[in-house]
Amino acid sequence: DSGVTQTPKHLITATGQRVTLRCSPRSGDLSVYWYQQSLDQGLQFLIQYYNGEERAKGNILERFSAQQFPDLHSELNLSSLELGDSALYFCASSERLEGGSYNEQFFGPGTRLTVL
Amino acid sequence: GNSVTQMEGPVTLSEEAFLTINCTYTATGYPSLFWYVQYPGEGLQLLLKATKADDKGSNKGFEATYRKETTSFHLEKGSVQVSDSAVYFCALIDPYADKLIFGTGTRLQVFP
Repeated sequence: DSGVTQTPKHLITATGQRVTLRCSPRSGDLSVYWYQQSLDQGLQFLIQYYNGEERAKGNILERFSAQQFPDLHSELNLSSLELGDSALYFCASSERLEGGSYNEQFFGPGTRLTVL
Repeated sequence: GNSVTQMEGPVTLSEEAFLTINCTYTATGYPSLFWYVQYPGEGLQLLLKATKADDKGSNKGFEATYRKETTSFHLEKGSVQVSDSAVYFCALIDPYADKLIFGTGTRLQVFP
């Protein structure tokens, strides 16, 4: 158990809909990352938050957005869903080390999104 | 840009065989390198890491050495078990964006 929790575990929805995925980081970790794992794109970084602020952005579509709340949990919002958005979405967290660098990232179990 | 290349799978071995999964990287500077493992139906688990050249990461009988001269971080295990069957991902951390860049993953299947 990595200490990172994600809900829900599975999500089935229809095209055009909007969903919210939730992540709680390990206790003490201020940094949260979102990754997408799909068969054709592999594992891709979407976005990072640190202590409530967006820090880095990857290949995240404009239809997707995220935020990190004061209690440090994070939500990934996916809207106007398309068939191609079906994937496993992972959240990870890490602690920030002195000097500004980050320790290794610990991953949650993922949310499997199926868009029909 | 930064990238990671892994050998194509699946790798199929008999129990107690020797395992090597090749990984090479392209990066500016000297990133930290990682191996993550994904068991069926589960999330990613950190298997081992190395943060500088010539470092050897090891865990659960797996080892990998950070080779700057060949830009490689090959994963090895002397004697695999059926329980090692999983997908293995090599990754580096992009120090400028603090994001993990993953290889495509290599599926390992170990038969008794």
